[in-house]
Amino acid sequence: GENVEQHPSTLSVQEGDSAVIKCTYSDSASNYFPWYKQELGKRPQLIIDIRSNVGEKKDQRIAVTLNKTAKHFSLHITETQPEDSAVYFCAARVNTDKLIFGTGTRLQVFP
Amino acid sequence: KAGVTQTPRYLIKTRGQQVTLSCSPISGHRSVSWYQQTPGQGLQFLFEYFSETQRNKGNFPGRFSGRQFSNSRSEMNVSTLELGDSALYLCASSLGTGGINYGYTFGSGTRLTVV
Repeated sequence: GENVEQHPSTLSVQEGDSAVIKCTYSDSASNYFPWYKQELGKRPQLIIDIRSNVGEKKDQRIAVTLNKTAKHFSLHITETQPEDSAVYFCAARVNTDKLIFGTGTRLQVFP
Repeated sequence: KAGVTQTPRYLIKTRGQQVTLSCSPISGHRSVSWYQQTPGQGLQFLFEYFSETQRNKGNFPGRFSGRQFSNSRSEMNVSTLELGDSALYLCASSLGTGGINYGYTFGSGTRLTVV
């Protein structure tokens, strides 16, 4: 099937701590895994993505890791700041070319 | 460069009516995907159009339909509205299908309320 599970649904961290969000996918043919950030009342925006031929990708405080064998990928945010507070969505491109999204993680960073 | 434009931003409709939503993608983008966003359900895939052809369809009833025009603008239609259709409808444009090369750029969405 085509399913993406995302955990946790909510995550609260202290400013400066790290945050990790995990997703698992069911379609072993999935080859592209983007992450989107949606601030309150705004549109989702792409923050980082990874392709299936890469195990890890970093962009400043954000990193994504992919484990193809276990079919899961994770978003890591280091040195969190209050402006990181948002809902984060993972997604997987399945073999029918659709982009299937997880149900989202609401991240709250407390100062 | 103009972003993805969705109109209208807000809609209030009565149960049983029908509604048409519009999405103009970024210039040069040929793929338009539609998603329904509700609290707790995340982004549910409705359909994707590429070069005027429906490439993919999600698990929504036949009351949900769409089309794409030669200028890549897309419309989605929902007939016989139900209360459960109340949601934020987002469209996303991309150069390629499934956002593989450049990811998706989302519009601001149309918030539909069915009363």
